Amino acid sequence: DAKTTQPPSMDCAEGRAANLPCNHSTISGNEYVYWYRQIHSQGPQYIIHGLKNNETNEMASLIITEDRKSSTLILPHATLRDTAVYYCIVRASFGNEKLTFGTGTRLTIIP
Amino acid sequence: DGGITQSPKYLFRKEGQNVTLSCEQNLNHDAMYWYRQDPGQGLRLIYYSQIVNDFQKGDIAEGYSVSREKKESFPLTVTSAQKNPTAFYLCASSIGWTGSYNEQFFGPGTRLTVL
Repeated sequence: DAKTTQPPSMDCAEGRAANLPCNHSTISGNEYVYWYRQIHSQGPQYIIHGLKNNETNEMASLIITEDRKSSTLILPHATLRDTAVYYCIVRASFGNEKLTFGTGTRLTIIP
Repeated sequence: DGGITQSPKYLFRKEGQNVTLSCEQNLNHDAMYWYRQDPGQGLRLIYYSQIVNDFQKGDIAEGYSVSREKKESFPLTVTSAQKNPTAFYLCASSIGWTGSYNEQFFGPGTRLTVL
């Protein structure tokens, strides 16, 4: 009963923008979209989250469609250090704190 | 230098032995979590604790036990009842339990191999 769907893998050239899609067609009104990434054999790292407005921080931008059924994480200038598995997660804003990690997208940055 | 520490990074045990994995945080976070990750898979929640002296089962608690006697510490014991204990174990913490913004901070993980 996965809440999100992501492509299993993607490649991106170094220096280009990496655009990672996520489908969450059953998202409810009180659920946020979170993105984490996991570099090989390390713990996951929080990237960004949003509810309905687009968000930007020092790491990435998050674009959420108007119907909130999908989103895109954008790494504006990908570097080799951005090679990782990226997880898109939806989670309610109250109550259960659980993060449900799927299998994510394995992003490989090509030199 | 605040963060979450897990020790050891690699752990080997014989089948049938209990083993305890350490997790310590100095972030003053109330909530702590234990996840398990198998190769090529996402993380699965084992146990979580919202506050000291309280903890709840996650999705795959069978064969595991935890304690939360101190705010800073949330050790996980993998018992002999866990049928397939070999995995990568990750500890995390967050400021609290409720709220719209609760980034989870993860430790570096412990890779447990049962021989």
